Amino acid sequence: DIQMTQSPSSLSASVGDRVTITCRAGQNINSYLNWYQQKPGKAPKLLIYAASTLESGVPSRFSGSGSGTDFTLTISSLQPEDFATYYCQQSYSTWTFGQGTKVEIK
Amino acid sequence: QDHLVESGGGVVHPGRSLRLSCAASGFTFSTYAMHWVRQAPGEGLHWVAVISNDGSYKNYPESVKGRFTISRDNAKSSLYLQINNLRPEDTAVYFCARGGQSTGWHYWAFDIWGQGTMVTVSS
Repeated sequence: DIQMTQSPSSLSASVGDRVTITCRAGQNINSYLNWYQQKPGKAPKLLIYAASTLESGVPSRFSGSGSGTDFTLTISSLQPEDFATYYCQQSYSTWTFGQGTKVEIK
Repeated sequence: QDHLVESGGGVVHPGRSLRLSCAASGFTFSTYAMHWVRQAPGEGLHWVAVISNDGSYKNYPESVKGRFTISRDNAKSSLYLQINNLRPEDTAVYFCARGGQSTGWHYWAFDIWGQGTMVTVSS
């Protein structure tokens, strides 16, 4: 199985802040990296697929980058509705998720 | 609107079996691969099963292989997960999710998720 490691595990930020979450794969996964947002008690929601393609309907303040083993999710200006947990997922070889990054209000 | 609704969860004793269901609507179910993902209380997401659009390919992580069986009925637009010999560590919310649709489907992200069904394994 391909191990996915996210950092940080949690962060505190204010509305308007630029937030960056990183995800590292245990081996080269090309660009088969997806990002999800999950709010408490809700299902995950796809934000970005293939490392950098924004899912339809997702605000443009979300962006993704990277390839190979190192990836980044960036929220350019954090909004109140963005406080949630974010997961990366590789879809190169079966499917594994990172452990999650909880974005909390500072 | 593309929609998935899970059912079948509940409280079960260790060693018993359970079948979860996922009803799809709003899209051509028979053209998509489908997945099950679980989330233990306070924990992260773990993929536990996949089935190709026609049911010819199924796969599971080693942690559940032999106890979990995924199946589908395309005529009923329904997905199933049979869990045998339930263990306390199977306690989780189980989500069904839509996978890929064409060549390279296994590379696709999970773009539609159900709301989940809770399974609690306890004596």
